[in-house]
Amino acid sequence: DAEITQSPRHKITETGRQVTLACHQTWNHNNMFWYRQDLGHGLRLIHYSYGVQDTNKGEVSDGYSVSRSNTEDLPLTLESAASSQTSVYFCASSGNRETEAFFGQGTRLTVV
Amino acid sequence: QKEVEQDPGPLSVPEGAIVSLNCTYSNSAFQYFMWYRQYSRKGPELLMYTYSSGNKEDGRFTAQVDKSSKYISLFIRDSQPSDSATYLCAMSARGSSNTGKLIFGQGTTLQVKP
Repeated sequence: DAEITQSPRHKITETGRQVTLACHQTWNHNNMFWYRQDLGHGLRLIHYSYGVQDTNKGEVSDGYSVSRSNTEDLPLTLESAASSQTSVYFCASSGNRETEAFFGQGTRLTVV
Repeated sequence: QKEVEQDPGPLSVPEGAIVSLNCTYSNSAFQYFMWYRQYSRKGPELLMYTYSSGNKEDGRFTAQVDKSSKYISLFIRDSQPSDSATYLCAMSARGSSNTGKLIFGQGTTLQVKP
């Protein structure tokens, strides 16, 4: 069965360190997204990609970057982790339909 | 002001009750309206979606969209303890540049007590 997986599921890092969260999907979807989920804010879009070599900024992109070198993967990098980036991060992918996005299980990141 | 507003609850109801969940929005460009269900420590899963205005029914769940009022609702009939989860409304505008770009409400946490 096709799926979308995130790793690691939990991570603790120190302020100022670079961190990369992995996202891998086997749906063969062109579109991939990174969201963060915080109490009181729901899910907010960080970055997204509509295909290989395509990346775009979302609503809360400052301090984050992504790269898309193949269809399956969209890693999210925190250039210099800050305590404000403590959150749960979700990766999602979708086909060409404008409705359905499939989400991973999430990565809980704590910056201390 | 957020584009999509949703009462975070929490909402606690007895088993068998009818549950009403609601969201309001401000962006008139939204055409696709979705409800996601998220169990604790899991990713959101699509529950229902509606295009433009109208109602959609799927088993015990009914989604309603009133674009004139910029208001959407999800009704759960005969609620079960297994319905206990966070329910997130989500919306997107039409067009290829908006594919998959969802704007979420804050989510409402629902507990159904046996």
